[in-house]
Amino acid sequence: DAGVIQSPRHEVTEMGQEVTLRCKPISGHDYLFWYRQTMMRGLELLIYFNNNVPIDDSGMPEDRFSAKMPNASFSTLKIQPSEPRDSAVYFCASSLWSGSNQPQHFGDGTRLSIL
Amino acid sequence: AQTVTQSQPEMSVQEAETVTLSCTYDTSESDYYLFWYKQPPSRQMILVIRQEAYKQQNATENRFSVNFQKAAKSFSLKISDSQLGDAAMYFCAYRSANSGYALNFGKGTSLLVTP
Repeated sequence: DAGVIQSPRHEVTEMGQEVTLRCKPISGHDYLFWYRQTMMRGLELLIYFNNNVPIDDSGMPEDRFSAKMPNASFSTLKIQPSEPRDSAVYFCASSLWSGSNQPQHFGDGTRLSIL
Repeated sequence: AQTVTQSQPEMSVQEAETVTLSCTYDTSESDYYLFWYKQPPSRQMILVIRQEAYKQQNATENRFSVNFQKAAKSFSLKISDSQLGDAAMYFCAYRSANSGYALNFGKGTSLLVTP
């Protein structure tokens, strides 16, 4: 079975540019999560969706960040304009209904470097 | 928000020996789930083991087992017969069963396995 697919795997861009990270969850999963991993803050939740609807975006750092899920098989995380402090690994994860003990399955992450 | 603490930034174990990684958490909830994830240098996040808080029996998955002490809010991971491939960052994570479905991660423990 295909796992969670993220693209690109690496992204290097200059400060001020728009960055778009993409995620395809596991088919049939109805929850999708975006996490950010940095040395200083560890793994932290940015936003999550249930059935394509954003449920909790309290972790989104500021208005420069936005996330969408136009359908059940695709989500994007956009940063505009990007800043060096946005450099991190961004993970997408998906899971089945969370009322059970179903774990979250993670993609391989996107390593983002803002110069 | 629930806090997850991993007090050992680094641990080392010899091949074939046993090692225990510590995790404590702070919560006022009675129903929740606990997970251990492994992150090798390839940066994948791989589920190792999970535990439901309502279950008294400790979870086991082959060489991996947990010691879940609900009253003490402790959830340690034991790796038996350690292998070189076990070398990775290990993250303990908490998820509420009732409010919010994101994972709260600890800062991680880096496990080194020596021949």
